[in-house]
Amino acid sequence: QVRLQESGPGLVKPSETLSLTCIVSGGSINSYYWTWIRQAPGKGLEWIGYVFYSGNTNSNPSLRSRVIISLDTSKNQFSLKLSSVTAADTAVYYCARRVATRPMYGFDYWGQGALVTVSS
Amino acid sequence: AIQMTQSPSSLSASVGDRVTITCRASQGIKNDLGWYQQKPGKAPNLLIYTASILQTGVPSRFSGSGSGTDFTLTISSLQPEDFATYYCLQDYDYPLTFGQGTKVEIK
Repeated sequence: QVRLQESGPGLVKPSETLSLTCIVSGGSINSYYWTWIRQAPGKGLEWIGYVFYSGNTNSNPSLRSRVIISLDTSKNQFSLKLSSVTAADTAVYYCARRVATRPMYGFDYWGQGALVTVSS
Repeated sequence: AIQMTQSPSSLSASVGDRVTITCRASQGIKNDLGWYQQKPGKAPNLLIYTASILQTGVPSRFSGSGSGTDFTLTISSLQPEDFATYYCLQDYDYPLTFGQGTKVEIK
């Protein structure tokens, strides 16, 4: 059974960099889009971006200048760095596996979520 | 970016009711649409992908339909465990975008 687990600091100061890691267990990291999604308190879901198993990345234009997503295949994990954070970046951050092979397109496995609060 | 508009934003229903949630895309997305269920404090769970294909393990009371710009999620007979928030997601073009959610509450 595939399992995803986020880890990282739960509190980040304004203007600093948010860093999260997602460890993937129970399955290969190949052939999928490893994705970060966030949800501000009481709000909806926002796609942050992905790293493909080949190393290619893509991110939401609204965050692109601040986002780095990377993959470490040797450790079966991928990471998110979001720089220059403000209170608006306070959210639960989910990592998820996206399948994009016809006919299936979707996020079939998710981490449990990591709450990151931006505050001094 | 493609905007996804869900309606209603919330609804109250009773166990056994038939419930329909709609999602409209700001441009055509073929059938590249998924539906997700989220319960409080939990990660979303994939219910339906490619507009109408039921994810493995999801009860058959859930169904999806539509293509192009208009999509529907139907719960044929609402069960107590179905009270949750439902999101559509367009998987057609980047950035991927979610609807704002529909909260299904107990009447």
